[in-house]
Amino acid sequence: DQQVKQNSPSLSVQEGRISILNCDYTNSMFDYFLWYKKYPAEGPTFLISISSIKDKNEDGRFTVFLNKSAKHLSLHIVPSQPGDSAVYFCAASHGTMIYNQGGKLIFGQGTELSVKP
Amino acid sequence: DTEVTQTPKHLVMGMTNKKSLKCEQHMGHRAMYWYKQKAKKPPELMFVYSYEKLSINESVPSRFSPECPNSSLLNLHLHALQPEDSALYLCASSQDYNQPQHFGDGTRLSIL
Repeated sequence: DQQVKQNSPSLSVQEGRISILNCDYTNSMFDYFLWYKKYPAEGPTFLISISSIKDKNEDGRFTVFLNKSAKHLSLHIVPSQPGDSAVYFCAASHGTMIYNQGGKLIFGQGTELSVKP
Repeated sequence: DTEVTQTPKHLVMGMTNKKSLKCEQHMGHRAMYWYKQKAKKPPELMFVYSYEKLSINESVPSRFSPECPNSSLLNLHLHALQPEDSALYLCASSQDYNQPQHFGDGTRLSIL
């Protein structure tokens, strides 16, 4: 039972263009969502997060959109740069200790982004 | 540079050995986590500590034993592991449950 899904294993975009990574979830109790970037041989690096009370959060080149009715979130990277090439994970959690699940992050399977010069 | 430090970076051990993984953070975070990540898979939660007390154990086998000696340190004691336990073990910390978790670079564990 995969509660967080990233249906695109890979994505290739041209440098300077927009990268859009998508994520779907099934559990309506999730109230906190995050995006992480991971390079080989390193731990995941936090990029951006959004609470379920918002529908958009922006930080520099990164914007996360949340559509609660569709249980869908997306990460936009504009403009894309070759250094953005990595595996991107979306993750979801209960922000509080509901049903004893506080702090538990559920990750999607990841999308490998390749930004070509 | 990660602010969560994990040692060792690599560990090879036999099935009868006892070893420990260590994790340290000095960001004043009150929650700390252990995750396991297999190749080409996402990280999977093992344990959550909140204010130095174990709050979540994701039905992890007893051959993995976590310990939180103080608010900055988290250990994972390993004993009688199996070859299928070979994986990347990641430690993370956060200020609170509704704050981002920050990960270390992990310990690459190989069981012979």
